[in-house]
Amino acid sequence: DTGVSQDPRHKITKRGQNVTFRCDPISEHNRLYWYRQTLGQGPEFLTYFQNEAQLEKSRLLSDRFSAERPKGSFSTLEIQRTEQGDSAMYLCASSLVRSGAITGELFFGEGSRLTVL
Amino acid sequence: AQSVSQHNHHVILSEAASLELGCNYSYGGTVNLFWYVQYPGQHLQLLLKYFSGDPLVKGIKGFEAEFIKSKFSFNLRKPSVQWSDTAEYFCAVILNSGYALNFGKGTSLLVTP
Repeated sequence: DTGVSQDPRHKITKRGQNVTFRCDPISEHNRLYWYRQTLGQGPEFLTYFQNEAQLEKSRLLSDRFSAERPKGSFSTLEIQRTEQGDSAMYLCASSLVRSGAITGELFFGEGSRLTVL
Repeated sequence: AQSVSQHNHHVILSEAASLELGCNYSYGGTVNLFWYVQYPGQHLQLLLKYFSGDPLVKGIKGFEAEFIKSKFSFNLRKPSVQWSDTAEYFCAVILNSGYALNFGKGTSLLVTP
């Protein structure tokens, strides 16, 4: 499968623990996005990368959230000191955006579901 | 505030019925519009998109959408739904000057045999 892959698919953790999610985008894609989706809501934008540069992170939900894409390939999203309100599906998407274009089609992974007890 | 509104949260139709899902947005400036679908247990995938040109766009699986700029709308339509169209449908908008899709809350469609 050459689509966007996310790992783990489901994470159960206790409040206060740190969790990390990994996203492997489609290999030739230069943009990578993180979204969060809660029940009954559409995906909510968190942050995105153009290659290895994180170009927007003001929408990360708090300073407990951080993301990296160190070599412009895979990305990680870390949540420190998890809270019950962090329980959600965390979605990763990638796209190929050519110079001067707005955006390409976003290809989504199947998501990583976080349950905080 | 900038937003994407999907009017119907839950829709139930019988097979062969016609479908129209509403989407309105409140953004100034030039927008680009999308409909995504999420089938049960699967990831979000693109149904169709509008960037410019003909405001009536056709997507996969017989879906189409019409961009009406004066109404800030991008409604999704299908003349005859099938049981396999049961899914969650999301409208999304990105500004020409933007970088990320902003999604509506979604519409859950159940098609009964």
